[in-house]
Amino acid sequence: GENVEQHPSTLSVQEGDSAVIKCTYSDSASNYFPWYKQELGKRPQLIIDIRSNVGEKKDQRIAVTLNKTAKHFSLHITETQPEDSAVYFCAARPPYTGGFKTIFGAGTRLFVKA
Amino acid sequence: SQTIHQWPATLVQPVGSPLSLECTVEGTSNPNLYWYRQAAGRGLQLLFYSVGIGQISSEVPQNLSASRPQDRQFILSSKKLLLSDSGFYLCAWSSGQKGDQPQHFGDGTRLSIL
Repeated sequence: GENVEQHPSTLSVQEGDSAVIKCTYSDSASNYFPWYKQELGKRPQLIIDIRSNVGEKKDQRIAVTLNKTAKHFSLHITETQPEDSAVYFCAARPPYTGGFKTIFGAGTRLFVKA
Repeated sequence: SQTIHQWPATLVQPVGSPLSLECTVEGTSNPNLYWYRQAAGRGLQLLFYSVGIGQISSEVPQNLSASRPQDRQFILSSKKLLLSDSGFYLCAWSSGQKGDQPQHFGDGTRLSIL
């Protein structure tokens, strides 16, 4: 089955710097890749997603890139702000799984220092 | 628009007591429904998912069970709670028809076992 690995587990950046979180997946058939942000004590919230027919997607300060050949995808946050501090989860979805199960990475705890 | 409700928000239960957590979704029909557990500072562990009324798939053997008595209602239960059942329980839904749509999470239930 699909396996998603996420790095780093912890990331600390200075306010205004960029942050990059990288994920790899094992199943080349996976075709949907969402990213979630979870603030302390809150629910995970979708921040951006990308489908396998697209190589890059941007939404203001957030961008995601997908390399299907290498089976990895990355989240880029530019001009980081203290409110970006949270845990970020990448995920992949193989098309054939029952119930459209989503396979999550272990998460990256991002600290943005003011 | 679609909304997901989960209750209670917090729960403190003694070891050996029963459990019932409820989740309902509004604004969509025939959704896929999911129960996750998240230990403190950890990732998302899929417990159960359901593709329709009465259809439950278990991902992890444990003393928990799930039921879906109505299309948009998902219940997580236990007859006797263990200390290891403590955690943050999240219900989620996704489209039952489209595999490239995200899961949306409820606000979660923080369960503490004493």
